[in-house]
Amino acid sequence: GQNIDQPTEMTATEGAIVQINCTYQTSGFNGLFWYQQHAGEAPTFLSYNVLDGLEEKGRFSSFLSRSKGYSYLLLKELQMKDSASYLCAVRAPGSARQLTFGSGTQLTVLP
Amino acid sequence: GAGVSQSPSNKVTEKGKDVELRCDPISGHTALYWYRQSLGQGLEFLIYFQGNSAPDKSGLPSDRFSAERTGGSVSTLTIQRTQQEDSAVYLCASSLGAGGPTDTQYFGPGTRLTVL
Repeated sequence: GQNIDQPTEMTATEGAIVQINCTYQTSGFNGLFWYQQHAGEAPTFLSYNVLDGLEEKGRFSSFLSRSKGYSYLLLKELQMKDSASYLCAVRAPGSARQLTFGSGTQLTVLP
Repeated sequence: GAGVSQSPSNKVTEKGKDVELRCDPISGHTALYWYRQSLGQGLEFLIYFQGNSAPDKSGLPSDRFSAERTGGSVSTLTIQRTQQEDSAVYLCASSLGAGGPTDTQYFGPGTRLTVL
C-alpha cells in the first residue's frame, strides 16, 4: 500500500525559513516530487529527488533519505506569494508512472 | 501548446447525467494522466496513457468512469450517471514519457465538477 504523511498546516513569517516534512511508506519507490499549488490553480512542479541528499534550486531545496522514508522541502527568504499548498508525491517503480500524493501542507506566510 | 489545457473549467450537472471532460496535453508529451482532487484531499490517480500501449486503469473508482485518448494526443474522461460524490476537481497531467524517475508531470488547470 501507499501512505504519505505531511503536516496539514504551517505558518511562517515573511523572510524566514520553513521546512515542510514528508514521510512515506510505499510498496516501491522511484522518485519523490514536490509540487506547489495555489488555491484554485494547477499544481506546479518544484523539485524531485531520486537519490539521497539535498537538491537546491534557488530559494527552494529538497532533501531525501530513502532508508528513512523521509523528505523535506526547505523554503528560504519566504515571500507572501509562497502562501500555497505544498504537495509531496512518490512515484512507484517499474512501468507504473502515476504519482501517489500526500494531502498537502497549507503554508501561510504572514507579514 | 505551451501547457496542458483542460475544458470546461467548470461543469455543473445533475445527478444521473453523463459528463465529458477534455484534456489537451503538452505537444510532444506521450504520457497523459488523469487525477481527481476532492475538497481537502490529496490528488487521487485515475488513469494513465503511454503512447499506444493499453492504459493503466487501476485508479478508476467504478465502471461509471472511462477515458480514451485519440491519436495519442487529446484525452476525454467520461463519467456516466454522475453521483454527488463525483464532485471534485479533475486534473490532467502530461509528461515526456521517456521513462526514468525524472519524467516530470505537468498539470493542467483542472475542471471543477459539481454534481447537484
